[in-house]
Amino acid sequence: DGGITQSPKYLFRKEGQNVTLSCEQNLNHDAMYWYRQDPGQGLRLIYYSQIVNDFQKGDIAEGYSVSREKKESFPLTVTSAQKNPTAFYLCASSITYRDSNNYGYTFGSGTRLTVV
Amino acid sequence: GQSLEQPSEVTAVEGAIVQINCTYQTSGFYGLSWYQQHDGGAPTFLSYNALDGLEETGRFSSFLSRSDSYGYLLLQELQMKDSASYFCAVRDPGGGYNKLIFGAGTRLAVHP
Repeated sequence: DGGITQSPKYLFRKEGQNVTLSCEQNLNHDAMYWYRQDPGQGLRLIYYSQIVNDFQKGDIAEGYSVSREKKESFPLTVTSAQKNPTAFYLCASSITYRDSNNYGYTFGSGTRLTVV
Repeated sequence: GQSLEQPSEVTAVEGAIVQINCTYQTSGFYGLSWYQQHDGGAPTFLSYNALDGLEETGRFSSFLSRSDSYGYLLLQELQMKDSASYFCAVRDPGGGYNKLIFGAGTRLAVHP
């Protein structure tokens, strides 16, 4: 079955540490996205990528970094510069707008990051 | 920029019908989508409207009025499993990218 796999499901980070969240998809989607969700709130866009070796900052990119070396993979690093990283992180993918009139995202099951 | 407004909470009873509204402000419009998210889970895509009118998919329907910058999600024959958060989203094509901007979500509680 095609889908998006995020790992780990739960992650604990010490103050001052960098951590990397994994996101892998086998849907052959070109576009991938990272969102952050805080309790009781909506999804805010961190970074997005439409194609390999290309990515763009979203609305809240400060303190985060990404890479897109392979079509299937879009890891997110939460750096020590992110002052309030405790949140639920969601990765998503989609076909590009040029390919369809329906731009539905497929989401992974998320990683819950807690600073300890 | 893009912004969306939707109610924070809605309560209904099993078997009833509930409507979740969404108003949006966008610099250009490329369709309104709806997603469902159960607590602790991943959002799942429900529907997409690019043109005015009602789109029906089983118990769920979605409506769009572009002239009013308004849409709604209609849930019929409510079941307990419909208790979840519902998000509306618009596409922001800035820079040629297909990225979605989400509303803050409406938490639906279905009671027996």
